Amino acid sequence: AQSVTQLDSQVPVFEEAPVELRCNYSSSVSVYLFWYVQYPNQGLQLLLKYLSGSTLVKGINGFEAEFNKSQTSFHLRKPSVHISDTAEYFCAVSVHLNTGFQKLVFGTGTRLLVSP
Amino acid sequence: DTGVSQNPRHKITKRGQNVTFRCDPISEHNRLYWYRQTLGQGPEFLTYFQNEAQLEKSRLLSDRFSAERPKGSFSTLEIQRTEQGDSAMYLCASSPRVGTGSADEKLFFGSGTQLSVL
Repeated sequence: AQSVTQLDSQVPVFEEAPVELRCNYSSSVSVYLFWYVQYPNQGLQLLLKYLSGSTLVKGINGFEAEFNKSQTSFHLRKPSVHISDTAEYFCAVSVHLNTGFQKLVFGTGTRLLVSP
Repeated sequence: DTGVSQNPRHKITKRGQNVTFRCDPISEHNRLYWYRQTLGQGPEFLTYFQNEAQLEKSRLLSDRFSAERPKGSFSTLEIQRTEQGDSAMYLCASSPRVGTGSADEKLFFGSGTQLSVL
């Protein structure tokens, strides 16, 4: 069964510093991977996704992630964070169901805390 | 496009009471999903509709839970005889995807309904 592990529950960082949020997945089949962001009192918003092709995926707000099949990882990175990046970040893997649609299996989330 | 709307934003209830949440998806989105998010966890899939048909239900959805989407537009999620373990954020998402599911499908999430069972 597909699953996602986010080892860091919280990552504190200073403004303008680089950040990496770690995500490891478990799957016996081809995977589709996603990063979602949840700002306080808001719904989840898609940051980026990997379906196939280039292993370096660029998303919104300056974020990017690299798919590494050998290490079963999909870490999220940003070279310089802003205060406004403070939020909860969720890594997710897509699971194909018999009805023909895909459901998302989320990790437990990483809270990014950016301070001045 | 006003986004996915969920009501109420917060619901406090006593154990044993019934509660109902509503989700209004983005207009003309034919797919609608319910997820549940407990404290310290990521969202977990509950159920899925394509138009008015409920095509998939998670084992998390016990007999006390029922979801409907009667006209293929808004959806309701009812929990009967609530228990403290039902306390969570209930998230709704919609998608414009038609036909067979695809990983390229983009979900639009609402802000959720926070349920607290005392």
